[in-house]
Amino acid sequence: NAGVMQNPRHLVRRRGQEARLRCSPMKGHSHVYWYRQLPEEGLKFMVYLQKENIIDESGMPKERFSAEFPKEGPSILRIQQVVRGDSAAYFCASSPPMSRTTDTQYFGPGTRLTVL
Amino acid sequence: QKEVEQDPGPLSVPEGAIVSLNCTYSNSAFQYFMWYRQYSRKGPELLMYTYSSGNKEDGRFTAQVDKSSKYISLFIRDSQPSDSATYLCAMVYSGAGSYQLTFGKGTKLSVIP
Repeated sequence: NAGVMQNPRHLVRRRGQEARLRCSPMKGHSHVYWYRQLPEEGLKFMVYLQKENIIDESGMPKERFSAEFPKEGPSILRIQQVVRGDSAAYFCASSPPMSRTTDTQYFGPGTRLTVL
Repeated sequence: QKEVEQDPGPLSVPEGAIVSLNCTYSNSAFQYFMWYRQYSRKGPELLMYTYSSGNKEDGRFTAQVDKSSKYISLFIRDSQPSDSATYLCAMVYSGAGSYQLTFGKGTKLSVIP
């Protein structure tokens, strides 16, 4: 019973390149959340998606960042024209369908992005 | 004032000690409370979840919530070196339609053999 999977686990990009982070939720889960953890900072919410829908993107930076969760395949967090300040650990979490406030989120191992 | 305050530590205790970890929050809209454990360079792992004031016990772990004081705690009994990790408190608004977790910064715990 595989948990939340994220790839790549480590990603190095030069300034100005694009970064694509992928997340496959737990089997049977259809809700995906993305969080960012900056060095010495706590986890910060970025975006909440269900299949083919963005439900809440209140934590996403206004520019360069986008997320999708297509009908088939993993959820993708895309960062265009990366800058050094984007260097962080990006975590994906998933929860079951018909999710309620009481449903818990299960986290993946994270993708560590380094921007040179 | 941050929504969730958590002392980052580090906290160092001898093996077998009782550990107390705490968070305070400012917004009474938070109704659901979790504790996650995060080992170095790993993803957070859910330890405890609770929504009502009072205590909830699971093995060596006890989660305590005091909504009137906006204060939550995690107690670890008979601490083990394998408990050495960063402990994150997390909270969810009720009825918001989006169940984003708001985290404390985490407390780094070391249990010394």
